[in-house]
Amino acid sequence: DAKTTQPNSMESNEEEPVHLPCNHSTISGTDYIHWYRQLPSQGPEYVIHGLTSNVNNRMASLAIAEDRKSSTLILHRATLRDAAVYYCILRGRISSGSARQLTFGSGTQLTVLP
Amino acid sequence: DAGVTQSPTHLIKTRGQQVTLRCSPKSGHDTVSWYQQALGQGPQFIFQYYEEEERQRGNFPDRFSGHQYPNYSSELNVNALLLGDSALYLCATGTGASNTGELFFGEGSRLTVL
Repeated sequence: DAKTTQPNSMESNEEEPVHLPCNHSTISGTDYIHWYRQLPSQGPEYVIHGLTSNVNNRMASLAIAEDRKSSTLILHRATLRDAAVYYCILRGRISSGSARQLTFGSGTQLTVLP
Repeated sequence: DAGVTQSPTHLIKTRGQQVTLRCSPKSGHDTVSWYQQALGQGPQFIFQYYEEEERQRGNFPDRFSGHQYPNYSSELNVNALLLGDSALYLCATGTGASNTGELFFGEGSRLTVL
């Protein structure tokens, strides 16, 4: 399975933008890039996913490099509630075994400072 | 709309015992996956159930087994418990066996093996 590399930890100030990087140099052409986050004492929560183009939703934006070997999750204005472990995950397309599971790495622990 | 519900939230067992954990999927979801999360690590995929059959399995021994009922709810059974089975067990639900959309996680069942 293709793997992702993320920094172990990052800090941000409240109400400032946060850019969380992810490297996935062995990504295949059919892998989707998913981001989940896990708040303390909770199960993971879906944030966003994309294939090639940049994506936006109410929670965040996902910027995908042109060669797809890296991506960046952007939180436009961090709040204290955004403090969590953020996981970047590659997920195969329909009918592939890797489509049926999420392979979590260690993720990035985001600390938001007031 | 109730999300993914898991029970029990916490339980304590001793080595060699057996445990059953339960998961009710989010309304409209027909696929259930189970994950094990050891302290300080990312979740690891155990298996996925769809149409009452195990569709995909991670690297877990056959002491870990499951079941899915016609109403899509699911159980995870672990036999001959070991100390190393102490973890947070997460249930994730979605639609379709190979859908690459978002998964919804429950808050987990915290198992302690003494």
